[in-house]
Amino acid sequence: SQQGEEDPQALSIQEGENATMNCSYKTSINNLQWYRQNSGRGLVHLILIRSNEREKHSGRLRVTLDTSKKSSSLLITASRAADTASYFCATDTGFQKLVFGTGTRLLVSP
Amino acid sequence: DAGVIQSPRHEVTEMGQEVTLRCKPISGHDYLFWYRQTMMRGLELLIYFNNNVPIDDSGMPEDRFSAKMPNASFSTLKIQPSEPRDSAVYFCASTLGTEILGANEQFFGPGTRLTVL
Repeated sequence: SQQGEEDPQALSIQEGENATMNCSYKTSINNLQWYRQNSGRGLVHLILIRSNEREKHSGRLRVTLDTSKKSSSLLITASRAADTASYFCATDTGFQKLVFGTGTRLLVSP
Repeated sequence: DAGVIQSPRHEVTEMGQEVTLRCKPISGHDYLFWYRQTMMRGLELLIYFNNNVPIDDSGMPEDRFSAKMPNASFSTLKIQPSEPRDSAVYFCASTLGTEILGANEQFFGPGTRLTVL
């Protein structure tokens, strides 16, 4: 069963705009990770945020985590056409096991 | 490092046939995961291994599915007999389990797209 539900399911923006994706989960976690999947490819890890962290940055990515609301958000700033992909949150439920969300399909138009 | 290697990349078979998917994890990684991705069910964890030992196979859909890891550099996922509803993309992933406070990032292979006619 999927732990994470992502919102929106699909997002269409123009290059240069910011894209925000949200993830909600159900149980307590050790950490939360975000992955990207380009069409026809495997998932690629983007960023990991621990349960005791509230915000983390990596390049144009900003991730927040609110454990009281059991939610996380991924912000991609100044988006590019190359950012077009599906984005998944994954929650760490213990013993190296990740449970992936439903994903957000992002389309960035030139 | 070549990353996680999966073969074949595409498999088309007929219902009732045996299908074997193969995975070579990143050298030195001690965890290996098998996932299945479909439009309807998303990305599901089927089974995972630690040091070649199956840890959790609760995601394996039924007895027609089996997985083995005979050594640290090779794993197989077998479906026998295959059915049309098994059509999906199957991913293998690996990680090094050094993180004390939680799971490490997983490295995914390119996947095997299975079509059962």
